[in-house]
Amino acid sequence: EAGVAQSPRYKIIEKRQSVAFWCNPISGHATLYWYQQILGQGPKLLIQFQNNGVVDDSQLPKDRFSAERLKGVDSTLKIQPAKLEDSAVYLCASSSSSTPVGQYFGPGTRLTVT
Amino acid sequence: TQLLEQSPQFLSIQEGENLTVYCNSSSVFSSLQWYRQEPGEGPVLLVTVVTGGEVKKLKRLTFQFGDARKDSSLHITAAQPGDTGLYLCAGSDLLGSARQLTFGSGTQLTVLP
Repeated sequence: EAGVAQSPRYKIIEKRQSVAFWCNPISGHATLYWYQQILGQGPKLLIQFQNNGVVDDSQLPKDRFSAERLKGVDSTLKIQPAKLEDSAVYLCASSSSSTPVGQYFGPGTRLTVT
Repeated sequence: TQLLEQSPQFLSIQEGENLTVYCNSSSVFSSLQWYRQEPGEGPVLLVTVVTGGEVKKLKRLTFQFGDARKDSSLHITAAQPGDTGLYLCAGSDLLGSARQLTFGSGTQLTVLP
């Protein structure tokens, strides 16, 4: 079974530029998560999708971050414009509806904003 | 906001030693998970504990969920260099019909040969 795929793996941009990350979850997983992990910290949930609907985006900085999962499968997270403090690893995870639930993570995209 | 505190934040030990990592919260979770994350990779699920007082063993790793379901511990016996990594606890709760995880800040473990 293929795992969660993410691209790109690394991205370096200048502040005020835009960037987009892509995630393809495990086949059949209805729930998809985007996390931000700053160096030395645990992952922080940005947004959670159930199929193509948003379950929780309370911690998403909506003035600059946006995410979509149009067909309920793969997802894109965008930052526009980027700030220095956005430098982090962006992790995508997916899970199924069975319990107890574990989340399966992709390798992440390491973003550096200069 | 539910918070999970992990201790210690950093731990460096010699191969063969035992260690315990703690995860504490003031909130009750329906279940708690432990993940291990290696550099350049996403976290990988090690175990899920659901019942208060539950103990699960995974080879040299022993996981315990507190009776009140607010805290957990991970004990590693005879640590090996391959155990090196970031250990994360995560509390799980239901948000509507979907589960949501709150992660602790992690314990960075280094096992020296």
